[in-house]
Amino acid sequence: QITLKESGPTLVKPTQTLTLTCTCSGFSLTTRGVGVGWIRQSPGKALEWLALIYWDDEERYSPSLKSRLSITKDTSKNQVVLTMTTVNPVDTATYYCALRGNSFGYFDDWGQGTLVTVSS
Amino acid sequence: DIQMTQSPSSLSASVGDRVTITCRASQSVANYLNWYQQKPGKAPKLLIYYASSLQSGVPSRFSGSGSGTDFTLTISNLQPEDFATYYCQQGYNSLCTFGQGTKLEMK
Repeated sequence: QITLKESGPTLVKPTQTLTLTCTCSGFSLTTRGVGVGWIRQSPGKALEWLALIYWDDEERYSPSLKSRLSITKDTSKNQVVLTMTTVNPVDTATYYCALRGNSFGYFDDWGQGTLVTVSS
Repeated sequence: DIQMTQSPSSLSASVGDRVTITCRASQSVANYLNWYQQKPGKAPKLLIYYASSLQSGVPSRFSGSGSGTDFTLTISNLQPEDFATYYCQQGYNSLCTFGQGTKLEMK
């Protein structure tokens, strides 16, 4: 059974760095073709894709947020970590991680999401 | 980067109706277009992939069509559980753009 679970702080102060962890089970981050992405959703707003990391460490970022994001993986723990620098209140959102393990570009499985609030 | 535009942004319908949601890409994505359903407080659920392939377990009243830049999601014989928000997403490249969503509400 494939599961993904997001973890990290629920409250972050403006200008701080946000670090979120996606713990994956039921698949390996080193399997050829596997990618794990981060998607966020501000309250009442649309889904916004943020970043993606592939089995071979190739990284992709949303052009609008690229300068603030970093995505890495720890294969020993089967975890993917997203770092976002200099957060501000507009970064308040539910952050999801999701598995992209196919050649059609869809996200097969999603975590439950974690709500992060940026406030002083 | 590829922009995805959905229309309408909201839609009112009744149980038993047939509804169509449109997604347009700013450049061709071939058939690499996916549709998701999202209910409040829940993660999105994949409905259709590669424009017209029904994900396993998804009722056959959901169907997708289109290629290139223009795509549609059709729900026939709307059921109460179908009232939700629907998103398209391009899988043509690794910049996995989503549309802005279409909220399907009960009339």
